[in-house]
Amino acid sequence: AQTVTQSQPEMSVQEAETVTLSCTYDTSESDYYLFWYKQPPSRQMILVIRQEAYKQQNATENRFSVNFQKAAKSFSLKISDSQLGDAAMYFCAYRSATLLRGANSKLTFGKGITLSVRP
Amino acid sequence: KAGVTQTPRYLIKTRGQQVTLSCSPISGHRSVSWYQQTPGQGLQFLFEYFSETQRNKGNFPGRFSGRQFSNSRSEMNVSTLELGDSALYLCASSLGQGHQPQHFGDGTRLSIL
Repeated sequence: AQTVTQSQPEMSVQEAETVTLSCTYDTSESDYYLFWYKQPPSRQMILVIRQEAYKQQNATENRFSVNFQKAAKSFSLKISDSQLGDAAMYFCAYRSATLLRGANSKLTFGKGITLSVRP
Repeated sequence: KAGVTQTPRYLIKTRGQQVTLSCSPISGHRSVSWYQQTPGQGLQFLFEYFSETQRNKGNFPGRFSGRQFSNSRSEMNVSTLELGDSALYLCASSLGQGHQPQHFGDGTRLSIL
């Protein structure tokens, strides 16, 4: 079974600064997907960024980028130029690429990290 | 394009009752997954439906069940409610295959008295 670990329960960053959120995972599979989701107080989970394990290049989406280290099973999220709207709970998630009877959307989540942004 | 719609948004029940939650996926999405979110256990996978068939199931008792209709809408049912069932129930839809991500609804907040 796969596990996802987010060891930091809370982090704080100054507005306009850069912050890195850590995530490690454990799996015996070689092909999988990794995601970072954001959950603001409004509670809707919003996809921030995704990474395919077979791609060596780190994914980037505007101010958000990841540092994907497959051998170390590490998947950290870097937020540059932090904004007040970035304050939320962030979840790291794993999804297997193995299909189960034609589909497999199951996400395994970490416990999440609460990010606060100081003005 | 409309997002994932979950109804109702809030629900209050008492122990022993049963409840049905509804989820309408994004148009064209055939996979619907359900998750339970609690402060103690975090986000836990309940089950996934694809083309009206349950494809995957998490480690929850048989009181938790679901189904999917031909239009991909899904319902989740919890029978004989317990206090520990109080949680935010999130539904997510996706194309079901490949690297396509899941898109989540706003969730149903279920409170058991």
